[in-house]
Amino acid sequence: EIVLTQSPGTLSLSPGERATLSCRASQSVSSSYLAWYQQKPGQAPRLLIYGASGRATGIPDRFSGSGSGTDFTLTISRLEPEDFAVYYCQQYGSSPLTFGQGTKVEIK
Amino acid sequence: QVQLQESGPGLVKPSETLSLTCTVSGGSISSYHWSWIRQPPGKGLEWIGSIYNSGSTNYNPSLKSRVTISVDTSKNQVSLKLSSVTAADTAVYYCARGSGYYIYWGQGTLVTVSS
Repeated sequence: EIVLTQSPGTLSLSPGERATLSCRASQSVSSSYLAWYQQKPGQAPRLLIYGASGRATGIPDRFSGSGSGTDFTLTISRLEPEDFAVYYCQQYGSSPLTFGQGTKVEIK
Repeated sequence: QVQLQESGPGLVKPSETLSLTCTVSGGSISSYHWSWIRQPPGKGLEWIGSIYNSGSTNYNPSLKSRVTISVDTSKNQVSLKLSSVTAADTAVYYCARGSGYYIYWGQGTLVTVSS
């Protein structure tokens, strides 16, 4: 099973700042099958990024994903008020599919 | 517009079987793969398993002995059964379309395991 470790656990930033979230895998993620989700309280997760760097339909271009192998990054170039949420990475290259434990982006 | 709606008992007794249904609208259920994912209160996401459009299934090894996922194409529904539940199975249960990354999710349903 691939274990995904996200860091930091919590990121305290102000609107307009840049957010950099990390997801490290315990072994290489096949074909960069790595996705990122945003989740707000009481809501289902929302797909942001798939294939490590592909932006899902309707996702603003301030969200970008990068990385390969075992190290992946989600960057939010300039935080908007609606971006404060919990973010999860997920690998779907090998079974069982696994998620990271999440990074909370909170308002500083 | 694809919509997924989970339904089922919100309270299940320990040792009993949790049964949930996901009703899909806006598309043919037989054309896609379907998955169940859960999230204990205040915690992260856990993939439970998937059913492919071929009818084959793939389950998380941690739950495999207790899980059954099935599809009823006549009703456009995906079902989840989890047997011998304990308090550790208390979670919001989501159905989602796909077997890799997930674009479409239900709103989730909270199932509490308690006597």
